[in-house]
Amino acid sequence: SQTIHQWPATLVQPVGSPLSLECTVEGTSNPNLYWYRQAAGRGLQLLFYSVGIGQISSEVPQNLSASRPQDRQFILSSKKLLLSDSGFYLCAWSVQSGGYTFGSGTRLTVV
Amino acid sequence: AQSVTQLGSHVSVSEGALVLLRCNYSSSVPPYLFWYVQYPNQGLQLLLKYTTGATLVKGINGFEAEFKKSETSFHLTKPSAHMSDAAEYFCAVSPTLHSGYSTLTFGKGTMLLVSP
Repeated sequence: SQTIHQWPATLVQPVGSPLSLECTVEGTSNPNLYWYRQAAGRGLQLLFYSVGIGQISSEVPQNLSASRPQDRQFILSSKKLLLSDSGFYLCAWSVQSGGYTFGSGTRLTVV
Repeated sequence: AQSVTQLGSHVSVSEGALVLLRCNYSSSVPPYLFWYVQYPNQGLQLLLKYTTGATLVKGINGFEAEFKKSETSFHLTKPSAHMSDAAEYFCAVSPTLHSGYSTLTFGKGTMLLVSP
């Protein structure tokens, strides 16, 4: 069966520090992968999606970047975190029959 | 382009009462519609989805939703609320799927509060 792993679960980082969040999928090949950010009262905002290795589409300009170095690995990064980067980050992959399967999320607090 | 409006950021019901969470969508093409549930500090779990066929869709945990094209709605209902239903619920829309690739547009969510 397919599973999605996301880590770490929580992270507290100082302003100006770098960020790396990792997401991996098991049990499938060539998945479509997504990074969402959830802020209080603002729903889920699509940040990046990827349909294949090295293929990244950005939905909003921001202080973040994404990479897909391997078929089932999706990484969210920042060189210098801002306070506004705080939020709950969710990785997901899409299935043939529609809808996403989400990871358990990373709570990022920038202090 | 797609958009989703969830009416009411918070809905309160008593245990055993009907649950009704409202969702209206806008889509330039026939939509696929989804409801997700999120418990605190967890990812989102798919409750149910409408892609094609029967417009009344049944999901997990006793939830169901009806796709009404004329009203551009996809409201979520459950006949009798349980305490365990307290969570945040998200409605989402996507355009027709191609090879499993889709970008979901989510509503802002409705927090369901269940009182004893």
